[in-house]
Amino acid sequence: DARVTQTPRDKVTEMGQEVTMRCQPILGHNTVFWYRQTMKQGLELLAYFRNRAPLDDSGMPKDRFSAEMPDATLATLKIQPSEPRDSAVYFCASGPLSGQGVPDTQYFGPGTRLTVL
Amino acid sequence: QKEVEQNSGPLSVPEGAIASLNCTYSDRGSQSFFWYRQYSGKSPELIMFIYSNGDKEDGRFTAQLNKASQYVSLLIRDSQPSDSATYLCAVKGSSSYKLIFGSGTRLLVRP
Repeated sequence: DARVTQTPRDKVTEMGQEVTMRCQPILGHNTVFWYRQTMKQGLELLAYFRNRAPLDDSGMPKDRFSAEMPDATLATLKIQPSEPRDSAVYFCASGPLSGQGVPDTQYFGPGTRLTVL
Repeated sequence: QKEVEQNSGPLSVPEGAIASLNCTYSDRGSQSFFWYRQYSGKSPELIMFIYSNGDKEDGRFTAQLNKASQYVSLLIRDSQPSDSATYLCAVKGSSSYKLIFGSGTRLLVRP
């Protein structure tokens, strides 16, 4: 049963601390997405990777967020320094490329619930 | 105008009834359409996708797509209390990688 995994599932931290969230995409999927979900904004796309290359991170605050994919089995999202407004659930999703070479279906991980005090 | 619009609900239906969830989108070039179910405190779970005009059935679920009218709907037959969740509509253009999500419709199935 292939699934996207994310760690940690819950994180409580204090303002100014560094937060690192990790994601293991489904084996064989070559696209990875990071989303943030809040009640107010819904699901927001933060970053997109294709074959480990970052193709879009326009949804991220550049001064404090960074996303990397050091290998095909690991994607990371880092916030430094964290702020209370970053409190949200962060989802990683992975998916295959379609026959036309664009991402199609996406499968979500369980999410990391981040609380910044 | 939002790119993908859904009524936030809640849509309340009795157990055994048909629940009808609707979604409209603004980009006429959209090619792929997805329905995700999200239980409270859980992640979105893909339940259906549809690419062509018409109906697509999978068990108790039927997705309907009308590109001319720019709407996509999800019918849930024989609704169960376990179907109570938020249903997210997502739309993608043909050459785009982005899924544009609606804000979701909350469905309540009353026993």
